[in-house]
Amino acid sequence: ETGVTQTPRHLVMGMTNKKSLKCEQHLGHNAMYWYKQSAKKPLELMFVYSLEERVENNSVPSRFSPECPNSSHLFLHLHTLQPEDSALYLCASSRLLGTEQFFGPGTRLTVL
Amino acid sequence: KQEVTQIPAALSVPEGENLVLNCSFTDSAIYNLQWFRQDPGKGLTSLLLIQSSQREQTSGRLNASLDKSSGRSTLYIAASQPGDSATYLCAVREETSGSRLTFGEGTQLTVNP
Repeated sequence: ETGVTQTPRHLVMGMTNKKSLKCEQHLGHNAMYWYKQSAKKPLELMFVYSLEERVENNSVPSRFSPECPNSSHLFLHLHTLQPEDSALYLCASSRLLGTEQFFGPGTRLTVL
Repeated sequence: KQEVTQIPAALSVPEGENLVLNCSFTDSAIYNLQWFRQDPGKGLTSLLLIQSSQREQTSGRLNASLDKSSGRSTLYIAASQPGDSATYLCAVREETSGSRLTFGEGTQLTVNP
């Protein structure tokens, strides 16, 4: 176990649904990250939080809305997604910005 | 813009072989380079992290080297085992990007018993 957990592990949603992905880290880290991994493409960084403040938004559409209520929890709120948003969404954390990142198991999202 | 390339895209070897996975990056101004392992449908497990001032790192049967000036890194796996079968990802952190990791597409390794 890496100390980073994600729920749910699998999610199927329609284009009009609203759902949320949750990430929790038990490592005492101060930075958290959302990545998207689509088939046949490299991992793409979506958002970065440091001490609960968003420090990077990598041109992600507004239908993805992150939330970091404290340094241990990170959410990704989803609404009116498209089928091309189907992917593995990975959360990671690091002790500080720029230090080694530790990843969770991911949420496999399918948008119908 | 930093680009990371991994060759080969897929590799199949018999058990016991020593093997080398390659990673190249276009901008040599990196802070560090990290090798990960990903099992099908799972998250990433960090294997080795090499700082830009280092030439190599070792962990068990794994050895990673870094030639920053030429933009290359290799991951050497000794005496491969079926349990090593996974996708291996290389990622670089640039000096100016702070938190951003740029990933390659990975090498899918299959070790046959």
